[in-house]
Amino acid sequence: ETGVTQSPTHLIKTRGQQVTLRCSSQSGHNTVSWYQQALGQGPQFIFQYYREEENGRGNFPPRFSGLQFPNYSSELNVNALELDDSALYLCASSPGPGNSSDEQFFGPGTRLTVL
Amino acid sequence: KQEVTQIPAALSVPEGENLVLNCSFTDSAIYNLQWFRQDPGKGLTSLLLIQSSQREQTSGRLNASLDKSSGRSTLYIAASQPGDSATYLCAAPETSGSRLTFGEGTQLTVNP
Repeated sequence: ETGVTQSPTHLIKTRGQQVTLRCSSQSGHNTVSWYQQALGQGPQFIFQYYREEENGRGNFPPRFSGLQFPNYSSELNVNALELDDSALYLCASSPGPGNSSDEQFFGPGTRLTVL
Repeated sequence: KQEVTQIPAALSVPEGENLVLNCSFTDSAIYNLQWFRQDPGKGLTSLLLIQSSQREQTSGRLNASLDKSSGRSTLYIAASQPGDSATYLCAAPETSGSRLTFGEGTQLTVNP
């Protein structure tokens, strides 16, 4: 069974650029959630995808967008990058969007630095 | 809106000590609570998931308890080791789905 994978590991961009981060969910999981973790803080929920549809969104502006593909992998896109977007971006997968027994499994994260 | 608080923010103990990490949450209508470990610059490793119907969950030297009525969970680490040094995060889901709200974590250092 393959765990959650994310790419790239690290990324450096400049203000105003656009970035795409990728996540492959764990085998058998159809739900992917994205989180942003600033240094020294707990992760903050960005949004969740379930069966290729957005299924909940946190307090992030529209320049944060996502996709989920038929194989349940997912992308996080951020447009017009700002310095405050520098963070560790974490992807989590789970068997379903709200099942009470669902444990969420996280990937290793992508470290984004915006200069 | 769920809010999660963790105390203490940092903890330094000598090797071999038993210790307790605390987590409190505001919305007690949760159906589970999850504890994670995070090494510096790394992703989250799930340690324990406690269902709302359970009061405790154990894995090796780790024991997590959940008291929904008081909005509290504790993570007990027995016979701590230097390899336990990491940040420990608790997370509670929103009642409307599986979106997790995290505390800011407890940074644990176990000194040899």
